Amino acid sequence: DIVMTQSTDSLAVSLGERTTIHCRSSQSVFHSSNNKNYLAWYQQKPGQPPKLLIYWASTREFGVPDRFTGSGSGTDFTLTISSLQAEDVAVYYCQQYFSLPQTFGPGTKIEIK
Amino acid sequence: EVQLLESGGGLVRPAGSLRLSCAASGFTFSDYAMSWVRQAPGKGLEWVSWDARISGSGGRTDYADSVKGRFTTARDNANGMLYLQMNNLRAEDTAVYYCAKGGRPGPEINIWIDTWGQGTLVTVSS
Repeated sequence: DIVMTQSTDSLAVSLGERTTIHCRSSQSVFHSSNNKNYLAWYQQKPGQPPKLLIYWASTREFGVPDRFTGSGSGTDFTLTISSLQAEDVAVYYCQQYFSLPQTFGPGTKIEIK
Repeated sequence: EVQLLESGGGLVRPAGSLRLSCAASGFTFSDYAMSWVRQAPGKGLEWVSWDARISGSGGRTDYADSVKGRFTTARDNANGMLYLQMNNLRAEDTAVYYCAKGGRPGPEINIWIDTWGQGTLVTVSS
């Protein structure tokens, strides 16, 4: 199984500040046949289901604000929020869909400082 | 608008059974692989199953090792319904179960999830 790790359990960030969440996979999730990284990011607010933010490591889902940016390749990935808003308080999960079982990172909780 | 509505959760004793349902609307259900993902109270997300038996395709199902042989997914493509039959339930199966939709049409299951239901809570306890 591919193990997903997120280096930080929680982050306290001031409103308007930039923040970066890191995710690492235990093996590469890059597929050379289509040059894509099989990595997604989800946001989960308290009491709500997860919401897709990013897929293919860097493709923003329709309707997701452009302050959310995904980057990285192979085994190391980041989700950047360029200017934190109050509504961004949530837990953020990365997920690999390169191979089964699909696996999620443990989550990074973003709070307001 | 794409909507997924789960039902069927509740309290069940260890070794018991439960069947979850997911009613899908707002998209052509028969074109998409569908998944179940669960979340134990206060914990992270765990993929449970994919059902890629879409129309016009042989399709496949896959399960996490933790549920293989105990859980079975089924779907009714004509009526937009997804099911999860859970047998021989254990305390560690206690979780909110989310019905989820694959990110693009087709039978592949190496795909992201683009829509989640609100979830239904399953509690396994004596």
